Amino acid sequence: DIQMTQSPASLSASLGETVTIECRASEDIYNGLAWYQQKPGKSPQLLIYNANSLHTGVPSRFSGSGSGTQYSLKINSLQSEDVASYFCQQYYDYPTFGGGTKLELK
Amino acid sequence: EVQLVESGGGLVQPGRSLKLSCAASGFTFSNYGMAWVCQAPTKGLEWVASISTGGGNTYYRDSVKGRFTISRDNAKNTLYLQMDSLRSEDTATYYCARHETTSYVMDAWGQGASVTVSS
Repeated sequence: DIQMTQSPASLSASLGETVTIECRASEDIYNGLAWYQQKPGKSPQLLIYNANSLHTGVPSRFSGSGSGTQYSLKINSLQSEDVASYFCQQYYDYPTFGGGTKLELK
Repeated sequence: EVQLVESGGGLVQPGRSLKLSCAASGFTFSNYGMAWVCQAPTKGLEWVASISTGGGNTYYRDSVKGRFTISRDNAKNTLYLQMDSLRSEDTATYYCARHETTSYVMDAWGQGASVTVSS
């Protein structure tokens, strides 16, 4: 299995701030990387696929980047509705997820 | 509007069985691969199983092989997960999710069904 290591596990940021979440794969996943947002008590929702493609309807303040084994999700100008947990997922092989990042407001 | 609605969750004793269903609407069900993903309480997400559009190909994580069976009925727009020989570590919320035929990008999710395995 391809292991996905996500950091940080938790993050506290202020409104309007820019935050970055990292994800490292145990081997090259050739941009087969998606990011999901999960709000408390809700199901996950797709944000980014192919490492940097924005899913339909996702605000442009979300962006993804990276290649090889290293990927990141950036949220510009943090909004209150962005409080959630974020998960990366590789799909180069059978899907595996990162451990998640819980984002809170400072 | 794409909708996925799980049902069939509940409390079950170790070693017993449970069958989850996922009713799909708002899209052509037979055109998509489908998956089950679980999330243990306060934990992360784990892919459980996937099935191809026609149901002829199925894929499982190692920990459920031989115990869980994924299936689908395209005439009824419904996905299933038969869970046998349940263990306490199977306790989780189980989500059904839609993915493309060529990748495991999951672009639609159900609200989840809670499964608790306990005596």
